[in-house]
Amino acid sequence: NAGVTQTPKFRVLKTGQSMTLLCAQDMNHEYMYWYRQDPGMGLRLIHYSVGEGTTAKGEVPDGYNVSRLKKQNFLLGLESAAPSQTSVYFCASKTGISYEQYFGPGTRLTVT
Amino acid sequence: DAKTTQPTSMDCAEGRAANLPCNHSTISGNEYVYWYRQIHSQGPQYIIHGLKNNETNEMASLIITEDRKSSTLILPHATLRDTAVYYCIVRSHNAGNMLTFGGGTRLMVKP
Repeated sequence: NAGVTQTPKFRVLKTGQSMTLLCAQDMNHEYMYWYRQDPGMGLRLIHYSVGEGTTAKGEVPDGYNVSRLKKQNFLLGLESAAPSQTSVYFCASKTGISYEQYFGPGTRLTVT
Repeated sequence: DAKTTQPTSMDCAEGRAANLPCNHSTISGNEYVYWYRQIHSQGPQYIIHGLKNNETNEMASLIITEDRKSSTLILPHATLRDTAVYYCIVRSHNAGNMLTFGGGTRLMVKP
Protein backbone atom coordinates (compact mmCIF):
# COMPACT_ATOMS: atom_id res chain seq x y z
CA ASN A 1 0.00 0.00 0.00
CA ALA A 2 1.18 3.48 -0.86
CA GLY A 3 -0.90 4.95 1.97
CA VAL A 4 -1.70 8.63 1.48
CA THR A 5 -0.04 10.36 -1.45
CA GLN A 6 -0.11 14.02 -2.43
CA THR A 7 0.50 15.66 -5.78
CA PRO A 8 2.45 17.85 -6.39
CA LYS A 9 5.18 17.97 -3.73
CA PHE A 10 6.13 21.57 -4.47
CA ARG A 11 4.49 24.40 -6.39
CA VAL A 12 5.08 28.11 -6.92
CA LEU A 13 2.12 30.22 -8.02
CA LYS A 14 1.68 33.85 -8.89
CA THR A 15 -1.05 35.82 -7.16
CA GLY A 16 -4.36 35.23 -8.87
CA GLN A 17 -3.45 31.90 -10.44
CA SER A 18 -5.45 28.77 -9.72
CA MET A 19 -4.42 25.23 -8.97
CA THR A 20 -5.65 21.92 -7.62
CA LEU A 21 -3.91 19.74 -5.08
CA LEU A 22 -4.62 16.03 -5.28
CA CYS A 23 -4.76 13.66 -2.33
CA ALA A 24 -5.11 9.94 -2.95
CA GLN A 25 -5.40 7.05 -0.50
CA ASP A 26 -5.48 3.34 -1.21
CA MET A 27 -6.71 2.18 2.20
CA ASN A 28 -10.45 2.42 1.44
CA HIS A 29 -10.85 5.10 4.12
CA GLU A 30 -14.16 6.90 4.45
CA TYR A 31 -12.87 10.13 6.00
CA MET A 32 -10.42 12.52 4.36
CA TYR A 33 -9.04 15.87 5.51
CA TRP A 34 -7.09 18.85 4.23
CA TYR A 35 -4.91 20.82 6.68
CA ARG A 36 -2.54 23.71 6.26
CA GLN A 37 0.53 24.41 8.35
CA ASP A 38 2.17 27.80 8.46
CA PRO A 39 5.79 28.17 9.67
CA GLY A 40 6.16 27.44 13.38
CA MET A 41 2.47 26.69 13.79
CA GLY A 42 0.31 23.66 14.31
CA LEU A 43 -1.97 22.28 11.61
CA ARG A 44 -5.32 23.91 10.88
CA LEU A 45 -8.20 22.08 9.22
CA ILE A 46 -9.41 23.55 5.92
CA HIS A 47 -12.10 21.11 4.75
CA TYR A 48 -12.96 17.51 5.35
CA SER A 49 -15.13 14.73 3.93
CA VAL A 50 -16.89 11.88 5.72
CA GLY A 51 -17.62 9.98 2.53
CA GLU A 52 -17.73 10.03 -1.25
CA GLY A 53 -19.75 12.99 -2.51
CA THR A 54 -19.72 14.83 0.83
CA THR A 55 -17.61 17.74 2.04
CA ALA A 56 -17.68 20.07 5.02
CA LYS A 57 -15.89 23.21 6.17
CA GLY A 58 -13.17 23.13 8.76
CA GLU A 59 -11.53 25.91 10.73
CA VAL A 60 -10.06 27.95 7.83
CA PRO A 61 -12.10 27.22 4.64
CA ASP A 62 -12.09 30.67 3.01
CA GLY A 63 -10.34 30.80 -0.36
CA TYR A 64 -10.46 27.02 -0.87
CA ASN A 65 -12.86 24.57 -2.46
CA VAL A 66 -12.86 20.78 -2.31
CA SER A 67 -14.40 17.83 -4.07
CA ARG A 68 -14.68 14.13 -3.26
CA LEU A 69 -16.02 12.55 -6.45
CA LYS A 70 -14.25 9.26 -5.80
CA LYS A 71 -13.76 7.64 -2.42
CA GLN A 72 -10.01 7.41 -2.84
CA ASN A 73 -9.43 11.02 -3.94
CA PHE A 74 -9.87 14.37 -2.20
CA LEU A 75 -9.09 17.48 -4.24
CA LEU A 76 -8.27 20.90 -2.81
CA GLY A 77 -8.68 23.86 -5.15
CA LEU A 78 -7.41 27.41 -4.97
CA GLU A 79 -9.38 29.54 -7.44
CA SER A 80 -7.36 32.75 -7.05
CA ALA A 81 -4.18 32.24 -5.06
CA ALA A 82 -3.06 34.85 -2.54
CA PRO A 83 0.30 35.23 -0.73
CA SER A 84 -1.52 34.41 2.54
CA GLN A 85 -2.05 30.91 1.17
CA THR A 86 1.67 30.22 1.15
CA SER A 87 1.87 27.18 3.40
CA VAL A 88 2.47 23.45 3.61
CA TYR A 89 -0.69 21.48 2.88
CA PHE A 90 -1.26 18.07 4.42
CA CYS A 91 -3.90 15.56 3.53
CA ALA A 92 -5.05 12.83 5.92
CA SER A 93 -7.48 9.93 5.91
CA LYS A 94 -9.03 7.46 8.35
CA THR A 95 -11.70 4.83 8.59
CA GLY A 96 -14.98 5.65 10.27
CA ILE A 97 -14.21 3.68 13.40
CA SER A 98 -10.47 4.29 13.68
CA TYR A 99 -8.90 6.73 16.10
CA GLU A 100 -5.84 7.20 13.89
CA GLN A 101 -5.49 9.64 11.01
CA TYR A 102 -2.90 8.79 8.37
CA PHE A 103 -1.11 11.78 6.90
CA GLY A 104 0.46 12.35 3.52
CA PRO A 105 3.93 13.84 3.01
CA GLY A 106 2.67 17.35 2.31
CA THR A 107 2.65 19.87 -0.54
CA ARG A 108 4.75 22.99 -0.14
CA LEU A 109 3.01 25.90 -1.88
CA THR A 110 4.49 29.35 -2.37
CA VAL A 111 2.38 32.20 -3.74
CA THR A 112 4.34 35.23 -4.92
CA ASP B 1 -13.28 21.07 22.45
CA ALA B 2 -11.07 21.09 25.52
CA LYS B 3 -7.97 23.24 25.23
CA THR B 4 -4.55 21.74 25.91
CA THR B 5 -1.41 23.30 27.36
CA GLN B 6 2.04 21.88 26.65
CA PRO B 7 5.56 23.14 27.31
CA THR B 8 7.06 24.77 24.26
CA SER B 9 10.22 22.69 24.30
CA MET B 10 12.04 19.94 26.19
CA ASP B 11 15.39 18.19 26.01
CA CYS B 12 16.09 14.54 26.70
CA ALA B 13 19.27 12.50 26.74
CA GLU B 14 19.45 9.63 24.29
CA GLY B 15 18.50 6.34 25.94
CA ARG B 16 16.63 8.01 28.78
CA ALA B 17 12.88 8.21 29.18
CA ALA B 18 11.18 11.28 27.74
CA ASN B 19 8.16 12.44 29.73
CA LEU B 20 5.98 14.94 27.89
CA PRO B 21 3.23 16.56 29.97
CA CYS B 22 -0.09 17.91 28.77
CA ASN B 23 -2.68 19.84 30.72
CA HIS B 24 -6.34 19.54 29.69
CA SER B 25 -8.23 20.74 32.73
CA THR B 26 -11.49 21.41 30.82
CA ILE B 27 -11.74 17.95 29.27
CA SER B 28 -15.26 16.53 29.18
CA GLY B 29 -16.35 12.97 29.84
CA ASN B 30 -16.54 11.79 26.23
CA GLU B 31 -13.27 13.33 25.07
CA TYR B 32 -10.21 11.26 24.32
CA VAL B 33 -6.58 12.30 24.65
CA TYR B 34 -4.62 11.79 21.43
CA TRP B 35 -0.90 12.17 20.85
CA TYR B 36 0.66 12.77 17.46
CA ARG B 37 4.19 13.74 16.54
CA GLN B 38 5.67 15.54 13.55
CA ILE B 39 9.22 14.90 12.54
CA HIS B 40 10.72 17.81 10.63
CA SER B 41 8.88 18.55 7.36
CA GLN B 42 6.92 15.28 7.46
CA GLY B 43 3.21 14.68 7.98
CA PRO B 44 2.10 14.07 11.57
CA GLN B 45 2.21 10.51 12.86
CA TYR B 46 -0.26 8.99 15.31
CA ILE B 47 1.31 7.72 18.52
CA ILE B 48 -1.36 6.71 21.01
CA HIS B 49 -4.73 7.67 22.48
CA GLY B 50 -6.67 7.05 25.68
CA LEU B 51 -9.89 7.86 27.50
CA LYS B 52 -9.44 7.01 31.18
CA ASN B 53 -7.02 4.17 31.59
CA ASN B 54 -3.30 4.20 31.01
CA GLU B 55 -2.34 2.87 27.60
CA THR B 56 0.81 1.35 26.14
CA ASN B 57 1.81 0.38 22.64
CA GLU B 58 5.05 -0.30 20.81
CA MET B 59 5.85 3.40 20.57
CA ALA B 60 4.92 4.90 23.91
CA SER B 61 2.89 4.87 27.11
CA LEU B 62 0.13 7.29 28.01
CA ILE B 63 -0.56 8.06 31.65
CA ILE B 64 -3.83 9.89 32.36
CA THR B 65 -4.49 11.25 35.85
CA GLU B 66 -7.53 9.98 37.70
CA ASP B 67 -9.35 13.32 37.33
CA ARG B 68 -8.36 13.31 33.61
CA LYS B 69 -7.18 16.90 33.80
CA SER B 70 -3.67 16.08 32.69
CA SER B 71 -1.67 13.35 31.00
CA THR B 72 1.91 12.37 30.27
CA LEU B 73 3.31 10.74 27.16
CA ILE B 74 6.30 8.56 27.94
CA LEU B 75 8.88 7.47 25.40
CA PRO B 76 10.71 4.83 27.45
CA HIS B 77 14.10 4.91 25.69
CA ALA B 78 14.36 8.02 23.55
CA THR B 79 16.50 7.89 20.42
CA LEU B 80 17.74 10.67 18.15
CA ARG B 81 14.95 9.73 15.73
CA ASP B 82 12.38 10.72 18.36
CA THR B 83 13.36 14.37 17.95
CA ALA B 84 10.08 15.94 16.80
CA VAL B 85 7.18 18.18 17.76
CA TYR B 86 4.69 16.29 19.92
CA TYR B 87 1.04 17.32 19.87
CA CYS B 88 -1.45 16.55 22.63
CA ILE B 89 -5.02 16.77 21.30
CA VAL B 90 -8.29 16.36 23.14
CA ARG B 91 -11.27 15.42 21.02
CA SER B 92 -14.48 13.45 21.18
CA HIS B 93 -14.67 10.45 18.88
CA ASN B 94 -17.59 11.55 16.79
CA ALA B 95 -18.42 12.02 13.15
CA GLY B 96 -15.64 13.85 11.40
CA ASN B 97 -13.17 13.40 14.25
CA MET B 98 -11.48 16.64 13.33
CA LEU B 99 -8.19 17.23 15.11
CA THR B 100 -7.09 20.63 16.41
CA PHE B 101 -3.33 20.95 16.57
CA GLY B 102 -1.91 23.52 18.97
CA GLY B 103 1.72 24.52 19.23
CA GLY B 104 2.94 21.21 20.64
CA THR B 105 6.19 20.44 22.47
CA ARG B 106 9.42 20.44 20.55
CA LEU B 107 11.41 17.50 21.94
CA MET B 108 15.13 17.50 21.28
CA VAL B 109 16.88 14.20 22.00
CA LYS B 110 20.58 14.78 22.53
CA PRO B 111 23.44 12.28 22.33
